[in-house]
Amino acid sequence: NAGVTQTPKFQVLKTGQSMTLQCAQDMNHNSMYWYRQDPGMGLRLIYYSASEGTTDKGEVPNGYNVSRLNKREFSLRLESAAPSQTSVYFCASSGAGGLTDTQYFGPGTRLTVL
Amino acid sequence: GDSVTQMEGPVTLSEEAFLTINCTYTATGYPSLFWYVQYPGEGLQLLLKATKADDKGSNKGFEATYRKETTSFHLEKGSVQVSDSAVYFCALDGSGNTGKLIFGQGTTLQVKP
Repeated sequence: NAGVTQTPKFQVLKTGQSMTLQCAQDMNHNSMYWYRQDPGMGLRLIYYSASEGTTDKGEVPNGYNVSRLNKREFSLRLESAAPSQTSVYFCASSGAGGLTDTQYFGPGTRLTVL
Repeated sequence: GDSVTQMEGPVTLSEEAFLTINCTYTATGYPSLFWYVQYPGEGLQLLLKATKADDKGSNKGFEATYRKETTSFHLEKGSVQVSDSAVYFCALDGSGNTGKLIFGQGTTLQVKP
């Protein structure tokens, strides 16, 4: 099993450009998450999907959209990138989104917006 | 709202030293508590967890006890190794069955031979 995979690993954008970060998991998990990691701030939840067909906002959703394409895939879209969105983005998945479920993280995408 | 506070890093220790990384939290209700570890260039992975007061999570020689009276979940290890060098994140899930984790800011540990 590959676990959680993310593409691309690195990306540089200019302000105003758009892009989609891809995430896929092969663990048959119901729940998937997108986080951003900024220096000194830990990880903050952008959006999550508790199950196929549902999505909901996390702590910092502004400037982002998501699509739960199917059970395996959960994409994050930046419609008009801004320098404040320079960050490392992590996708994660878990079995049922419950109190004791472990979240499994992908390797991350390092995004720079100039 | 819910929050997690960790001790500032970096923490630099010699091999075989005792490790403590402090974590305190603010939450309504009874959150589950987690420690995640991030090795250089990788994503996070779960180190240990505890779901109710007085539970002790343990893994790979690391331990943490859920202390409701002091709202703390401090990470300890009796003898660290160079391979333990990483960033450690304390987190809580107080949201009730959604898995929406709240993370602390992370503590960098560097272990020198």
